[in-house]
Amino acid sequence: AQKVTQAQTEISVVEKEDVTLDCVYETRDTTYYLFWYKQPPSGELVFLIRRNSFDEQNEISGRYSWNFQKSTSSFNFTITASQVVDSAVYFCALKLTGGGNKLTFGTGTQLKVEL
Amino acid sequence: DAEITQSPRHKITETGRQVTLACHQTWNHNNMFWYRQDLGHGLRLIHYSYGVQDTNKGEVSDGYSVSRSNTEDLPLTLESAASSQTSVYFCASSDGGTQETQYFGPGTRLLVL
Repeated sequence: AQKVTQAQTEISVVEKEDVTLDCVYETRDTTYYLFWYKQPPSGELVFLIRRNSFDEQNEISGRYSWNFQKSTSSFNFTITASQVVDSAVYFCALKLTGGGNKLTFGTGTQLKVEL
Repeated sequence: DAEITQSPRHKITETGRQVTLACHQTWNHNNMFWYRQDLGHGLRLIHYSYGVQDTNKGEVSDGYSVSRSNTEDLPLTLESAASSQTSVYFCASSDGGTQETQYFGPGTRLLVL
């Protein structure tokens, strides 16, 4: 069975610091998709990125970057020069291509960015 | 703009009552999902549907049911609400295919007293 682990329950940083959110996944499948979602204090879930298992290229989008390493089954998320608006709960999720379209979520990391 | 909506956004009910949470999407997506979010558990899948008349159980389906009579709606029913069902409920939808992304509704906060 698949599993997603986000070992960091809560992280606090000061604005402008860089912060990395860890995500480790487990699956026996060779093809799968990984996702990051953001849940701000308002409560909605916002899609950030999707990465398939064949594509290990890192991705950068503005202050956000993602590091996918198949060898360590990790899909880490880095925010550069954090801002107060980045304060949210961040979820990593896994979807198998052969297991229907169901997402398996990690338990989330609460990020607090303070002035 | 296409969207996914949930109603009500907040609900208080009593133990034993039947409760229905609505989910409506205008993306014409085939796939729809219901999750519950609880502290320490992340989001867990309750039920899902791949199209009209199709429904499937997720990992925490006991005490819940869904029906899919059209593409746009997937209502979630709590047959006899229990305090353990106090949670935040999210509906999501995605297009067909294995690589599609799920997009989530705003959530419904349910309190069962």
